[in-house]
This record gives sequence, C-alpha cells and structure tokens, in this order.
Amino acid sequence: GAVVSQHPSRVICKSGTSVKIECRSLDFQATTMFWYRQFPKQSLMLMATSNEGSKATYEQGVEKDKFLINHASLTLSTLTVTSAHPEDSSFYICSARDHTGTGSEKLFFGSGTQLSVL
Amino acid sequence: SQQGEEDPQALSIQEGENATMNCSYKTSINNLQWYRQNSGRGLVHLILIRSNEREKHSGRLRVTLDTSKKSSSLLITASRAADTASYFCATGTSGSRLTFGEGTQLTVNP
Repeated sequence: GAVVSQHPSRVICKSGTSVKIECRSLDFQATTMFWYRQFPKQSLMLMATSNEGSKATYEQGVEKDKFLINHASLTLSTLTVTSAHPEDSSFYICSARDHTGTGSEKLFFGSGTQLSVL
Repeated sequence: SQQGEEDPQALSIQEGENATMNCSYKTSINNLQWYRQNSGRGLVHLILIRSNEREKHSGRLRVTLDTSKKSSSLLITASRAADTASYFCATGTSGSRLTFGEGTQLTVNP
C-alpha cells in the first residue's frame, strides 16, 4: 500500500519557537493532504486540507497564521506551528489520499508527531 | 453535531473472544471506513464499505452497514492480544474529507 512518512516523530521545544512538521507521500503523488490534531484518548480533529499549489483550507476555529501549511510539491506538505505555546502541545497527524487506481477513498496516514512545548 | 459516534468507548475482552464495536452517524454518506490506531501512532485503514453495501469481510473483520439506521458495526473474530488498539469509524461524503468518530479503545487480554 501507499506510504506516508511524517517527521519528526517527537519534538520538544521552548515556548515562543516555531516547529515544522513534514509529511511526504513516498510512492504516490498526493494533490491533497490533511492535517489533524489529536488529544490523548480523543478522536482526530481535522485542522486543514492542504492543496498542492494553492492555499490550504482551514477548518473553523483553526488559526491560519498560527498553523502555516505549505504544499509546494505533489509529495510534500509541511505544517509549521508558529510561536508555539504549551497549549499547542498535542499529537499532530497528516494523511494523504492516493488518487490513482481503485480504492482512492481511503486515507494513508503518517505516524504522527508528538509536540511538547515547554 | 458529532458525525461518527462510537460505542462502547472502551472494551476489554479475553483472547479468542469476539469484539464488536458500533458506529452511528447523522448525515448521508458515500462510504464508511474503519481505521485502527496503535498508541502514539498514525491510523491504518482496515476496511471500507460503500453506502450501497450491507456487509463486508476481510480476514477476521466483518463490517455491516445499515443506512436506514445510520449505523455500522465492526466485528473482530477470534481476537488476539495484538488487536489491542483504538478503532475509529470515519464517514465519507461527497468531496474528499472524512469525519472520524470518537473511537473505541479495545484491550485484548492474553
């Protein structure tokens, strides 16, 4: 199956710094990627839809200036948490859809990034 | 309102027993999918059932869909300790986004 690689898997940073998370589709081209946030023992909350070559679509309540998304190529989307604060500490997961072939409705997920802001 | 509500929230069974998880949703869907998440990891797609299908099997997994009741169930037969994980249903509508349920934490005791 398709593989999505997400890095880093874990990051600890000081309050006020920015953190960049990368999401790569390794063996397919992803025109659309999704970024989620997940709190412990809770479901995934969609933050934004990343579209290659255009602006990301943010969900209601998600600050676009806080969570910068760049999808500059068909295989890479990045999420930058700017001026991170302790309340941004969370598990961030990306996913992508392989539009080639059959079964294109299913999502392939990265392994997630645990962000801890001190 | 929350799309994709699941019950139970947590389920603990013995190895070899069957595990059943349920998912209810509120709006019309094109398909319903089940995903598995091991602690601290990403999600893995398990099975997809389309709105015109009623039942689907994949190995030890059996999924049913009742669009009149807007509900689905995931049955894992002959469970193993390695099945311990969180299981999420996700509903797909027109367009590309999925909406995930709250999840069921399954613990299979050896």
